[in-house]
This record gives sequence, C-alpha cells and structure tokens, in this order.
Amino acid sequence: DAGVTQSPTHLIKTRGQQVTLRCSPKSGHDTVSWYQQALGQGPQFIFQYYEEEERQRGNFPDRFSGHQFPNYSSELNVNALLLGDSALYLCASSLEAGGANSPLHFGNGTRLTVT
Amino acid sequence: DAKTTQPPSMDCAEGRAANLPCNHSTISGNEYVYWYRQIHSQGPQYIIHGLKNNETNEMASLIITEDRKSSTLILPHATLRDTAVYYCIVRVGAGANSKLTFGKGITLSVRP
Repeated sequence: DAGVTQSPTHLIKTRGQQVTLRCSPKSGHDTVSWYQQALGQGPQFIFQYYEEEERQRGNFPDRFSGHQFPNYSSELNVNALLLGDSALYLCASSLEAGGANSPLHFGNGTRLTVT
Repeated sequence: DAKTTQPPSMDCAEGRAANLPCNHSTISGNEYVYWYRQIHSQGPQYIIHGLKNNETNEMASLIITEDRKSSTLILPHATLRDTAVYYCIVRVGAGANSKLTFGKGITLSVRP
C-alpha cells in the first residue's frame, strides 16, 4: 500500500521563475492538503483540495495555486518565486468521509531552494 | 483555533518510557487531539489521535484528561530512533473545514 508520494525530492530555482510540485495521495484517500515548512518552523497550511476544487486556504498569496486531478493526485504551483519561498513543501492526504477523525498522512516533501 | 502548549524539549534514556505533555485548555467538544512526529528531513509521521477516551496503538498511547484540557503521549520503550520533534495538534473543524495547525512542537532526545 503506497503512501503519499511527492516529486521531485529536491529542486533549485531562480528568483522570478515558476515551479510545479506533484503529489500522489495514499491509496483510498480523496483529499489533498499542501503545507510549507520553513527551516526550524512547523508546517504551515497552504490549501486543501477535494473533488478537484480548492475549498480552504491558508494565509498565502495568489502566487500559490494548485490543482487536483480526477485520480485525486495534485499539483502545487508557485509563480514569481521569491527567496523566501525556499522551504520544504509537504503534501498530505486524507479521506473526506472520515472528517476530523481521518488522519492526514504526509509525504516526505519537496525541498525547494530559490537562489 | 484551539491552541496547544508544549515544552520546547525533553530527553529520556533509551528503553525507558517517554511521557510527552501537551496543554490544550481551549479545546472544544468536537475537536480531536492529534500527535505527529517529524524526524529530520522527513515529512510528519502520524502517531495517534483521540477525542475523549485514551487510545493505544502499536506506536504509542494517548492519555487525555477527563476535562480534555491536557493530554500525554507515551512512548513505552523509547529507542534512539524515537529522537524527533513531536507535535501535539488540536484538529479544528470537521470535513471541509478540517485542517492541522502545527506549533513548534517538542524536541525529544533519546540518550543511550
């Protein structure tokens, strides 16, 4: 039973560029959430996708956008990269039907470095 | 959002029980207590969660006080591989509004 998988594992981009990160949820899960984790900090919620729609969002600018596909996989896009976007980007999946009683399962993240 | 308070760090000897405390005095009746841990450079790993009753699984036990204002995560026989940052989280909302809000966590160091 595959867990949450993310690609790529590491990425280096230049300021102003755009980046796309990918996530495949745990088998049987239908909800995907994205988190940003800066060095030395806890993960911060970016947004959540269910039924191919963004249904809640954290305090992140519109440069951060996403998409969920019919197979429940998801992409995170960041435009006009800033040095401060350097972080570990985490994807988590869960089962909507379980509500708050359904644990989120995390992937090991994509380490993005912006130079 | 109901917030949690954890000491910044603690240590314990290998083979002994590690008891990690968490305060969540503003928790609401329908909010779950979740515990995750994160080993350096990996994603957070789910450990256990509970609503009112004590819970146990193959990794740990979760003891929630009767008033639900605090909880303790117990690792019964800590090993060096249990060295990690442990996050106690109150899960806010339900369904579409449910998310995890991470604090700074507690760094557990298991010494040989």
